[in-house]
Amino acid sequence: AQKITQTQPGMFVQEKEAVTLDCTYDTSDQSYGLFWYKQPSSGEMIFLIYQGSYDEQNATEGRYSLNFQKARKSANLVISASQLGDSAMYFCAMRARDGGATNKLIFGTGTLLAVQP
Amino acid sequence: DSGVTQTPKHLITATGQRVTLRCSPRSGDLSVYWYQQSLDQGLQFLIQYYNGEERAKGNILERFSAQQFPDLHSELNLSSLELGDSALYFCASSVDWDRDVYNEQFFGPGTRLTVL
Repeated sequence: AQKITQTQPGMFVQEKEAVTLDCTYDTSDQSYGLFWYKQPSSGEMIFLIYQGSYDEQNATEGRYSLNFQKARKSANLVISASQLGDSAMYFCAMRARDGGATNKLIFGTGTLLAVQP
Repeated sequence: DSGVTQTPKHLITATGQRVTLRCSPRSGDLSVYWYQQSLDQGLQFLIQYYNGEERAKGNILERFSAQQFPDLHSELNLSSLELGDSALYFCASSVDWDRDVYNEQFFGPGTRLTVL
């Protein structure tokens, strides 16, 4: 069965510091994709970054980077130079193909990040 | 703004009632995915429609049903509502022209359902 595990329910970080949010995954698929979404208190889901299983380089998008370690089945999100506006819930997700019929997403339980001034 | 619209934004109803949530996908997107976010279950996939046909089903209760219309908008129908159905319901849309290629899913703002 496919599964995403986020072991950090909540984290604090000082403004301008870097923070790493952990994510491990379990899948038997050879081809898969991993995602991070941000959900601020307003509730919307904001796509941050994507890593394909065959991508050799770690994905980066501005201050976001994904530390992809395939052998360890981890896909940690690194936020550099944290800002107050980064305070939100962060979800790791995986594309679950179910034999190729769908691209549904399976989500972890989330990590609540609080950025302190 | 993702381009995906959901109505209504908030819905308050009583146990036993039936409600309909509506989703309009981004222009050109053929797939609509429905997700439920609740405190006890987290974020979970409910159902996917592609160009009018059901493509995948997740942990969707029998009391819930969905459909996608010829204009590609989708509706999620929830009936015999229970307190535990209170949740944030998201719709996401994606192009999905080629089922072997992942296309980004764009999420709507969600409908917050409160069952009293």
